[in-house]
Amino acid sequence: AQSVTQPDIHITVSEGASLELRCNYSYGATPYLFWYVQSPGQGLQLLLKYFSGDTLVQGIKGFEAEFKRSQSSFNLRKPSVHWSDAAEYFCAVGINTGGFKTIFGAGTRLFVKA
Amino acid sequence: NAGVTQTPKFRILKIGQSMTLQCTQDMNHNYMYWYRQDPGMGLKLIYYSVGAGITDKGEVPNGYNVSRSTTEDFPLRLELAAPSQTSVYFCASRSSGQGSGEQYFGPGTRLTVT
Repeated sequence: AQSVTQPDIHITVSEGASLELRCNYSYGATPYLFWYVQSPGQGLQLLLKYFSGDTLVQGIKGFEAEFKRSQSSFNLRKPSVHWSDAAEYFCAVGINTGGFKTIFGAGTRLFVKA
Repeated sequence: NAGVTQTPKFRILKIGQSMTLQCTQDMNHNYMYWYRQDPGMGLKLIYYSVGAGITDKGEVPNGYNVSRSTTEDFPLRLELAAPSQTSVYFCASRSSGQGSGEQYFGPGTRLTVT
C-alpha cells in the first residue's frame, strides 16, 4: 500500500541555521511528490512539487527538495531558516488512479528559536 | 478570486445532531476533496469528486455523505454526529489538467462534538 513517512514529529532549529525535513514514501511507480506548509489556523499551501525531470526542485519561500529514487525520499531543505518559517510541514504523494488522490504524511512541526 | 471557501469556521455539535459543512471553489476545478485532520495523523481523505454528479469514498467515509450538484460546490454532510468526528475538516480542489496535482485548500472548519 502507498504510504508517506515523516520520521520527525517536531524539529527545533535556530534562526539562520539550515533545515532539512525528511520524507520517505512507498509507491510502486514514479510518484508525484509535494511539500505543503500549514501555518497555525490555516489551510495547507503548496511549497513545491516534483513530477519529472530535474530531481532538485525549487519552491517558494527559499525552500528546495531533492527526489532520490534509490532512497524513496523527497527531503525538504532550506539554507537559512527565518522565524516566520515556524509551521507544520507535510510531505505528500500523488497517485493517479482514476481520480487523482494525495496521501499525506503525518507532518513535521518546525519550531524556530531566536 | 476567492479560491476555496469553507463555512462555518467553527461549530460545536451535540452527539446525534446533523450538520452540513459547506465548500465552494471559484477556480472551475473538476476535482474536489474533503479531508479531516487529527493531531499527529496528517490528513485523511473522506470523500472526493472528479466532477459534478460523481463522488467516491476515500479512506474514512463512515459517518459522512457528500453530493456534487455543481462544479463549484461540494458540501459534506454529517449525520448523527459522534465524538470521533471531532476534528478539523479541510476542503480542497484541483484542476484536472496535465501535471496539475497541486491542491488548493480552504481555511478549514473546526468541529467539536460533545
